[in-house]
Amino acid sequence: KQEVTQIPAALSVPEGENLVLNCSFTDSAIYNLQWFRQDPGKGLTSLLLIQSSQREQTSGRLNASLDKSSGRSTLYIAASQPGDSATYLCAVSGSARQLTFGSGTQLTVLP
Amino acid sequence: DAGVIQSPRHEVTEMGQEVTLRCKPISGHDYLFWYRQTMMRGLELLIYFNNNVPIDDSGMPEDRFSAKMPNASFSTLKIQPSEPRDSAVYFCASSGLANEQFFGPGTRLTVL
Repeated sequence: KQEVTQIPAALSVPEGENLVLNCSFTDSAIYNLQWFRQDPGKGLTSLLLIQSSQREQTSGRLNASLDKSSGRSTLYIAASQPGDSATYLCAVSGSARQLTFGSGTQLTVLP
Repeated sequence: DAGVIQSPRHEVTEMGQEVTLRCKPISGHDYLFWYRQTMMRGLELLIYFNNNVPIDDSGMPEDRFSAKMPNASFSTLKIQPSEPRDSAVYFCASSGLANEQFFGPGTRLTVL
C-alpha cells in the first residue's frame, strides 16, 4: 500500500526566503505526482503535475522535482511572500489513477 | 470553464437523516473522484468513476454510503442514514487525459 510522508508538518519563514518542502513515497511505481495548495476552509488548488517520466516542472516561483528511484519529490518556492501561506499537499497516482495524499506541510510566511 | 462545481457548500443535518451531495465535473473530463477530508485521517478517496462507471469503491466506509454518476456531467454521493462521525469536508475532483486532478470547493457536512 502506497504511503506518502511530508516533512516538516509545519514551517514558518520570513518573507523573501527561498524554501523547500519535502515529500516521500514508499512505492516508486507511480504514474505521476501532483502538488496542491489548500487555503483554510477552501478546496485544493493544483500547483504542479509531474509525470513519472519527468524530472521536474516549473511554474513561476515554484519548481517541483521528482526522483522516482528514491521515492522523493521536493517543492521549491523562491522569494516567498505572505500570500504563499497555506497548506501544501503532495499526492501520488498509481496506474489506477487514484491519488494518495500526504498529510501536508503548513507554511507560514511572515511579513 | 467554471471548474468543478459542488453543492451544497455547507450542510447541517441531524443524525439519521439522508444527505445528498452533488458534483458537476469539468466538461470533457472522463474521471470523477469523491474524497473525504478530516483532521484525524486527512484526505481519503471514497470512490471514483471512469466514463460514468464506478471503478473502485473500496474507500466507501460503509453501506450507508452510495454514489452514482448517471451521466458525464453529474454525480451524487448519498449518506443514509447519516451519523455524527460522517462530519467532514467532502470533495469532488475530476481529471482528463493528463490525469491532473482538479478539485471542487467541497461540501462541509455537519451531522448533529
